Amino acid sequence: DTGVSQDPRHKITKRGQNVTFRCDPISEHNRLYWYRQTLGQGPEFLTYFQNEAQLEKSRLLSDRFSAERPKGSFSTLEIQRTEQGDSAMYLCASSPPIKTKQFNYGYTFGSGTRLTVV
Amino acid sequence: TQLLEQSPQFLSIQEGENLTVYCNSSSVFSSLQWYRQEPGEGPVLLVTVVTGGEVKKLKRLTFQFGDARKDSSLHITAAQTGDTGLYLCAGGETGGFKTIFGAGTRLFVKA
Repeated sequence: DTGVSQDPRHKITKRGQNVTFRCDPISEHNRLYWYRQTLGQGPEFLTYFQNEAQLEKSRLLSDRFSAERPKGSFSTLEIQRTEQGDSAMYLCASSPPIKTKQFNYGYTFGSGTRLTVV
Repeated sequence: TQLLEQSPQFLSIQEGENLTVYCNSSSVFSSLQWYRQEPGEGPVLLVTVVTGGEVKKLKRLTFQFGDARKDSSLHITAAQTGDTGLYLCAGGETGGFKTIFGAGTRLFVKA
C-alpha cells in the first residue's frame, strides 16, 4: 500500500468554475476525512466518512461544497462556483476502524491538493 | 468548541540547541497527537498520547501529556536541520472521532 493518494496535487482555476478533487485512502481504512488548510493555520475539519456514510459535516462546508464516498473506498470533494476565498490546501486523511471505547490514534494524511482560484 | 493553542508560533534556533514547544487548551481531550508538516506536504503523525501524565520518547523528541489531559509539550534535544518544519498538535474530540488541530509552531533549525 502506498498510503493516502490525492489527485491532482495542484489546481489553478478561474473564479466561478467547478473543481473536483479525488482521494484514495489506505485500503484497510474505513474512515476518511477532508480538511482544509490555509497559510499559517492548522488544518480545519470539513467532513468525515465512515465507509460510505457521511457522518459529520463542518459548518465551514457551505452548500457549494459536496463530498461523496460512493463505495466506501475513494472519495471526491467538489467545489462549485469557486471563490478566491476557497484557495487553500485540501487535505484528505484516513484511519483504521476504531473498536468500541478505543481512542482516535491519529490519521494518515495524503500530500494534499493545492487549489488556487484566480 | 474545543480549541488548541500552540506556542511559540515561530522558533528559529541553531543546530545543537534544545527547545520546547507547547500546546494548551481549556478543554479535556481523549487523546492528543503531534504531527510534523513540511512545505507542500500533508502532516505526518509523530506520536499519540492518551493517558494524563504520559511521556513518550521518539529518538531526540520527548512528548508529554498533561495530567489533566488539557495540554502537551514537545521537547527536542540537540536539534538538527532535518527537524525544520511545522509542528502541529491535534486533539481527539471528546465524544467524537474528528481531530481538532492547533495553528502549529514553525521551527527553523540553522546549520
